[in-house]
Amino acid sequence: SQKIEQNSEALNIQEGKTATLTCNYTNYSPAYLQWYRQDPGRGPVFLLLIRENEKEKRKERLKVTFDTTLKQSLFHITASQPADSATYLCALLFSGGYNKLIFGAGTRLAVHP
Amino acid sequence: GAVVSQHPSRVICKSGTSVKIECRSLDFQATTMFWYRQFPKQSLMLMATSNEGSKATYEQGVEKDKFLINHASLTLSTLTVTSAHPEDSSFYICSAREPLAGGPSSYNEQFFGPGTRLTVL
Repeated sequence: SQKIEQNSEALNIQEGKTATLTCNYTNYSPAYLQWYRQDPGRGPVFLLLIRENEKEKRKERLKVTFDTTLKQSLFHITASQPADSATYLCALLFSGGYNKLIFGAGTRLAVHP
Repeated sequence: GAVVSQHPSRVICKSGTSVKIECRSLDFQATTMFWYRQFPKQSLMLMATSNEGSKATYEQGVEKDKFLINHASLTLSTLTVTSAHPEDSSFYICSAREPLAGGPSSYNEQFFGPGTRLTVL
């Protein structure tokens, strides 16, 4: 079955630095790979989507890369701020049927002043 | 972005009772809604896909008789946890997707509700 791996250990960085989170998957490459932010006790909030034929996508301070050969996506937050502290979830969507979105366990990011 | 609401946000019930959770898409019509469950520090696990006007599709290992799903309209899906037990205590999150012109298998952004914290005593 499909497996999505995100670093389970929290990532602690200093304010202003770039945070880089990793998402690795096994088996089939998804049609879309997405990143979500989740705060404690809240539902996920969509951040970025990248398609299988795209290498990189940017949105403000966020950047996502997608390497289907390595089966890996990297999520970058530049000029990080304490307000960026949250859990970031990687999610894969496979085409066909009703396009189920499958989530990784997430990586907790803590940005310290 | 579009808004998905859930009600209640938090519920505490006694073992053996049934609990209903509502999920609404507030400003768009959702032919497909999804129900997820999340245990502490774990991933969102897809429980079932709810399709308006038809039966829900359950993921492997999810008991359809225990987790009843009704998608009666394009803006409302309900999840009923029947005969709840303490092990059903979890964070339940619904999600909705507005279909593209290409039909239900086309992709569009998926919006999530704020979640419902269920505690079964």
